[in-house]
Amino acid sequence: GQNIDQPTEMTATEGAIVQINCTYQTSGFNGLFWYQQHAGEAPTFLSYNVLDGLEEKGRFSSFLSRSKGYSYLLLKELQMKDSASYLCAVRGPGGFKTIFGAGTRLFVKA
Amino acid sequence: DAGVTQSPTHLIKTRGQQVTLRCSPKSGHDTVSWYQQALGQGPQFIFQYYEEEERQRGNFPDRFSGHQFPNYSSELNVNALLLGDSALYLCASSLVGGAGETQYFGPGTRLLVL
Repeated sequence: GQNIDQPTEMTATEGAIVQINCTYQTSGFNGLFWYQQHAGEAPTFLSYNVLDGLEEKGRFSSFLSRSKGYSYLLLKELQMKDSASYLCAVRGPGGFKTIFGAGTRLFVKA
Repeated sequence: DAGVTQSPTHLIKTRGQQVTLRCSPKSGHDTVSWYQQALGQGPQFIFQYYEEEERQRGNFPDRFSGHQFPNYSSELNVNALLLGDSALYLCASSLVGGAGETQYFGPGTRLLVL
C-alpha cells in the first residue's frame, strides 16, 4: 500500500523558520514533491526531490532521505503570505500516479 | 506562457445527472492528470492521459471516464452523480521527459451535487 503522513496544522511567527515533516510508505518511489495551496486555490509547485539530500530554492528548501522514507520542507524568513496548506506528494510505482498527503495547514502570526 | 486552464469554474448538478469537465494543458505539455480534492484533504488521483490513452488509474469507479484529444486537451466525465462526488476537480499537466515530469495544476472546477 501507499501512505503519506504529515502534521495536520502548525503555527509559526513571522520572520521565523518552520520545518514541515513528511513520512511515506510506498511500494515504489519515483520522486517526492512539495506543493503550496492557498485556501480556495489550486496547488502550486514548490520543489522536487528524487535523490537524497537538500534542494534549496530561495526561502524554501526540501530534504529527502529515501532509506528513511522521510522528507521535510523548510521555510525561512516566514511571511504572512506563507499561511497556506503544504502538500507532500510521492510518485509511486509505474512513475505515473502521484499520491498526495492530506496537507499541513501553516498559520503564520505577526 | 499559457498555464493550465479548466472550465467551468463552478457547476451545480443533481444526483443521477452526468457532468463533463474540460482542461487545456500548459503550453508545451503533453500529459494530463485528473484529481478529486475533498475539503480539507489532499488531491486524490483519478487517472492520467498521454497520447490519447489512459496510462494509469486510481481507485475510482467506472462512472469516472476521460478522454484526451490530439491537441492534448482533456475531458473528465462523471456519470450517475452521487452526493459524495461534490468536490474540487483539478487538472494537472506535465511533459513526458521533462524535469521530474512535474505537474502544474489548473484552477479547478468546483462541483456541487444536490
